[in-house]
Amino acid sequence: KAGVTQTPRYLIKTRGQQVTLSCSPISGHRSVSWYQQTPGQGLQFLFEYFSETQRNKGNFPGRFSGRQFSNSRSEMNVSTLELGDSALYLCATNSGQGTDTQYFGPGTRLTVL
Amino acid sequence: EDKVVQSPLSLVVHEGDTVTLNCSYEVTNFRSLLWYKQEKKAPTFLFMLTSSGIEKKSGRLSSILDKKELFSILNITATQTGDSAVYLCAVEAAGTYKYIFGTGTRLKVLA
Repeated sequence: KAGVTQTPRYLIKTRGQQVTLSCSPISGHRSVSWYQQTPGQGLQFLFEYFSETQRNKGNFPGRFSGRQFSNSRSEMNVSTLELGDSALYLCATNSGQGTDTQYFGPGTRLTVL
Repeated sequence: EDKVVQSPLSLVVHEGDTVTLNCSYEVTNFRSLLWYKQEKKAPTFLFMLTSSGIEKKSGRLSSILDKKELFSILNITATQTGDSAVYLCAVEAAGTYKYIFGTGTRLKVLA
């Protein structure tokens, strides 16, 4: 099976811009979770989607949003970028049902200048 | 508030040593605990634990969960330089659809 894919892998933006990141899950996985990883804060949960519905979200401002499509692919959007948004953004997928392992994609490294 | 605490924060050992990494948690309605290894890229899955006292083993790595005392340990025997990484522990609470991660233990194995 192909693994979790994320695009783009690297992104450089300036403050005030917006960005959209994409995550394609492993075939058959219907749950997609997004995380922000920074050296100071570690892995922080952003939100989780299953069957196009957000089931939970973390403590991030409304500038962070996401969605999931009918093929389970997910996007997250960050508007009005701030310097502090520079981070590695990881998505992780699983079946979304029962107790199941999460598998991570390679991540998108976002740098905000 | 749910939380996951890992210790030690960092560890330096020599090849051949055995290490024990700790993960304690306070989570309402615990469902599962996962261990990941992260090098300079995305975390890779090591173990999932759901039941107390049942050791999971993969080569030189093993892990066990104690649901009464709310902790898990990850053991690595005969360490190699390739074991150098950050080891992450994550806990899922039932019905929340999210994993709470600890800050990780950074392991460095010297040749």
